[in-house]
Amino acid sequence: GAGVSQTPSNKVTEKGKYVELRCDPISGHTALYWYRQSLGQGPEFLIYFQGTGAADDSGLPNDRFFAVRPEGSVSTLKIQRTERGDSAVYLCASSLRPDLSGANVLTFGAGSRLTVL
Amino acid sequence: QQPVQSPQAVILREGEDAVINCSSSKALYSVHWYRQKHGEAPVFLMILLKGGEQKGHEKISASFNEKKQQSSLYLTASQLSYSGTYFCGTERAGGTSYGKLTFGQGTILTVHP
Repeated sequence: GAGVSQTPSNKVTEKGKYVELRCDPISGHTALYWYRQSLGQGPEFLIYFQGTGAADDSGLPNDRFFAVRPEGSVSTLKIQRTERGDSAVYLCASSLRPDLSGANVLTFGAGSRLTVL
Repeated sequence: QQPVQSPQAVILREGEDAVINCSSSKALYSVHWYRQKHGEAPVFLMILLKGGEQKGHEKISASFNEKKQQSSLYLTASQLSYSGTYFCGTERAGGTSYGKLTFGQGTILTVHP
């Protein structure tokens, strides 16, 4: 697609429920990133995929968070047993050229706003 | 560790200039600048790489002092559309996770007519 698409744009759930957030990156972009943004803060890195594999998941806060990218395109961020502290905007980004020999520009989606009651 | 941005907020009238600074305590490979409007995606403005390469929009200029690990974004002849929150994101030198950015806390820019 023309941009990074994220669904749903808004999700309200109850504490303890399971949530899935979807990201559809720009066609042809091999790298995909998930970031989390709390109110009034900058985005915080969660996980990075190169192709189908998670190259770096060091930002996932705990084992309730998991992400997949089975075919190297669409990715799903999964959150189990949601807690109120998980409330935030979850941003997805993709990039065409993920290597340190040049400029690696990330294109962000508009995000999925998660509210845990 | 999060880079530090200054100022936290700035208010301008149309046509005025502003400088936003970003400072890191870590050795950097690159600095990225984004602008985000409320409820929208962060939009890429500029990337500055160690060694001097830059890429970004024509009307945006920025600098990267590799020795001090500091970057500045220069906004000249501001327009109403420049309003938003500006974030710098830093990529550490020697890392292997490409695109793993650490963002500052943001600078809120408001441009009035």
